[in-house]
Amino acid sequence: GAVVSQHPSRVICKSGTSVKIECRSLDFQATTMFWYRQFPKKSLMLMATSNEGSKATYEQGVEKDKFLINHASLTLSTLTVTSAHPEDSSFYICSARVQGQVNEKLFFGSGTQLSVL
Amino acid sequence: AQKVTQAQTEISVVEKEDVTLDCVYETRDTTYYLFWYKQPPSGELVFLIRRNSFDEQNEISGRYSWNFQKSTSSFNFTITASQVVDSAVYFCALSPAGAQKLVFGQGTRLTINP
Repeated sequence: GAVVSQHPSRVICKSGTSVKIECRSLDFQATTMFWYRQFPKKSLMLMATSNEGSKATYEQGVEKDKFLINHASLTLSTLTVTSAHPEDSSFYICSARVQGQVNEKLFFGSGTQLSVL
Repeated sequence: AQKVTQAQTEISVVEKEDVTLDCVYETRDTTYYLFWYKQPPSGELVFLIRRNSFDEQNEISGRYSWNFQKSTSSFNFTITASQVVDSAVYFCALSPAGAQKLVFGQGTRLTINP
């Protein structure tokens, strides 16, 4: 089945630094990828929809300048947390949709645990 | 607006017991999709099932079964003869047709004790 690879799985950084998280579709092309955020023992909240070759669509309340999304190819989307602060500590997870299919399985990456000191 | 409610925050049962996880959803769309995902301690989301709003047939997959009832806007998930490996957080999710993005419930943390 389709596989989505997400790296790194865990990152610890100092406050004020930027962190980049990669989401790759390994055996399929993904025109659309989604970025979710999950607080401890909480549900997943959609942050933004990443579209290949165009600007990402952010959900209400998500800072565009804080969470930079780039979807430069059909197999890679990146989320950069700029000037990270402790309140940005969270579990970030991406998902990808197989091109040409709507509402199929929406394969998920393994997630990235970000801890900002 | 769409909303998914998983009223059971945590469930703990002894191995081999049957357990049902409840999911109630709200949507004004006539066409939509419902999902269940499993999130083990490692964090990744494991797809379990997708059901579209026009298909009310119940489904069974091994020890897993799902009961979809549009009349009560529920999509419940039952694990029979539970095993320790079933311990995880389970999420129910809803997606309007064509919208692609998922609205998740709060999740139910299931613990199966040996």
